[in-house]
Amino acid sequence: GAVVSQHPSRVICKSGTSVKIECRSLDFQATTMFWYRQFPKQSLMLMATSNEGSKATYEQGVEKDKFLINHASLTLSTLTVTSAHPEDSSFYICSVIAGERGYEQYFGPGTRLTVT
Amino acid sequence: GESVGLHLPTLSVQEGDNSIINCAYSNSASDYFIWYKQESGKGPQFIIDIRSNMDKRQGQRVTVLLNKTVKHLSLQIAATQPGDSAVYFCAENMYSGGGADGLTFGKGTHLIIQP
Repeated sequence: GAVVSQHPSRVICKSGTSVKIECRSLDFQATTMFWYRQFPKQSLMLMATSNEGSKATYEQGVEKDKFLINHASLTLSTLTVTSAHPEDSSFYICSVIAGERGYEQYFGPGTRLTVT
Repeated sequence: GESVGLHLPTLSVQEGDNSIINCAYSNSASDYFIWYKQESGKGPQFIIDIRSNMDKRQGQRVTVLLNKTVKHLSLQIAATQPGDSAVYFCAENMYSGGGADGLTFGKGTHLIIQP
């Protein structure tokens, strides 16, 4: 499978500030990456699809102006949480499509965001 | 909207026994199903997947069964080990959509391995 990294692994920020989370595909060129959010003891929820060289596609209910996604290269997608609030505190996880068959999704280790 | 769900939130088994984790899905258009394992504080780890043109697929110590008639998916883990303790999620999407779709996840089952 693909090796995916995220940075930072944990971040604490003050309410009203912005936070950038990086997702890197280390051994695979990913034209498509996905961003998910997971609240404690809950399942993963798809936030958006990140496409290299084009605009991201957001799921219903996810504010595109609040969660800015930039997929500038085949190995890097960034998620910026703008004007973060405590309710944005969550576990943010990215995934890439990789594998021999071309449709398996492999996930990064996640980023724990805490907004105080 | 349609979603993927699980029957049991927690499953406790003895070490060495086999475990079965179940999942019900409601989107009849889904044709690709995956099981992930998530340990505390980590991202989901791919275990095994199955497409709708199959009803069974085996991996190392794991087997996924798909019953399209009743829209049911299960993960069987043979000879469970302490390292199998985790939350297991089923997920689905539409491979026929090109495979580049995000996944819809079930609620998760916490598998506890007792010594």
